[in-house]
Amino acid sequence: EVHLVESGGGQVKPGESLRLSCAGSGFDFNLYTMNWVRQAPGKGLEWVSSISSNSNYIYYADSVKSRFTISRDNARNSMYLQMDSLRAEDTAVYFCVKDVVRGVIGSFGSWGQGIPVTVSS
Amino acid sequence: DIQMTQSPSSVSASVGDRVTITCRASQSVITWLAWYQQSPGKPPKLLIYSASTLHTGVPSRFSASGSGTDFSLTISSLQPEDSATYYCQQANTFPYTFGQGTRLEI
Repeated sequence: EVHLVESGGGQVKPGESLRLSCAGSGFDFNLYTMNWVRQAPGKGLEWVSSISSNSNYIYYADSVKSRFTISRDNARNSMYLQMDSLRAEDTAVYFCVKDVVRGVIGSFGSWGQGIPVTVSS
Repeated sequence: DIQMTQSPSSVSASVGDRVTITCRASQSVITWLAWYQQSPGKPPKLLIYSASTLHTGVPSRFSASGSGTDFSLTISSLQPEDSATYYCQQANTFPYTFGQGTRLEI
């Protein structure tokens, strides 16, 4: 069974940094594109970033580009999101998400429980 | 960016009813379209990918169709546990984008 566990969230002040981690198990982590999706309180879903299996391809939403950095360590079955220069509008629950099957990129088949990030002075 | 527009924004129906939610893309996404169900306080669950492929474990009362810019999700015989918010999402072009959601009340 696929298991995705996020960690590293919390409350920070505007301009500060946080690093989210996602630990994957129950599947061949090194074969799948991984993603971050967020959901602001009471709002809809927003795709944040994707990283290909070998880290060759990385994409970001415009809203986080140049402030967030996605990375992964396949040896540790882990993905990360370094979030710098955080803003109030980054306040959200962040989900670690796995593509549904290899070859069907961008359809999110497995989700972690989510980790809250609050940016407030 | 590709805009995804769902309708209706909310719908109320009864157990056993048939409900259809539509999703329109601002430009063609071919069949790179997924549907998700989210209950309050829970992560979303994938229902459908590639516009019409039922995800493993999803009940057969869920079906979907469409291509290009117009898509639909149908729940053929509503059950109480189908009360949730439903999202469509395009996976054809970065940035991936979601519809605004459709709240289904049973």
